[in-house]
Amino acid sequence: NAGVTQTPKFRILKIGQSMTLQCTQDMNHNYMYWYRQDPGMGLKLIYYSVGAGITDKGEVPNGYNVSRSTTEDFPLRLELAAPSQTSVYFCASSYSITTLATDTQYFGPGTRLTVL
Amino acid sequence: GENVEQHPSTLSVQEGDSAVIKCTYSDSASNYFPWYKQELGKGPQLIIDIRSNVGEKKDQRIAVTLNKTAKHFSLHITETQPEDSAVYFCAASTSNNDMRFGAGTRLTVKP
Repeated sequence: NAGVTQTPKFRILKIGQSMTLQCTQDMNHNYMYWYRQDPGMGLKLIYYSVGAGITDKGEVPNGYNVSRSTTEDFPLRLELAAPSQTSVYFCASSYSITTLATDTQYFGPGTRLTVL
Repeated sequence: GENVEQHPSTLSVQEGDSAVIKCTYSDSASNYFPWYKQELGKGPQLIIDIRSNVGEKKDQRIAVTLNKTAKHFSLHITETQPEDSAVYFCAASTSNNDMRFGAGTRLTVKP
């Protein structure tokens, strides 16, 4: 298994541009997540999905959108990039049989995004 | 919501010594406490986790202890090696969509 893969690894955007960060997992996990990691800080949850067709906001969703059309893919969309969105973005996935559970999350390698 | 504090922010030890990283959490409903290791340019990797019904868990040179009453948990690494050098994150969670991370500890193991 490749696990969780993310593309691109690096990207520089100009203010106001848009882009999609790709995330794919091949572990048949139902849960998928997007986090951002700012320097000297822990990861913060942007959006998550409990399964295909279902998404919900996390702690810091403003300026982002997601979709989950398949179990494997969970793209993150930035519509109007702002300097505050400069960060490292991590996608993660987990398998849970109940919404009450807390299960191990497996992370991708990250995308380093700079907005100038 | 949950708040997780992690100390120290940096830790330097001599190879072979032990390293201890401590975290405190605020939400008494938290029931899952993972520790992640992040190497430069890579994503976090789970190294050990503990659930609220257990007080201690060990895996070779790594151990985690949990004190639910005091709401703190710690990572212990014994016989440190240079390859243990990385940033370590603790986290506390009440559910899959509510995992809160500490700010990280940069561990340096000097040969």
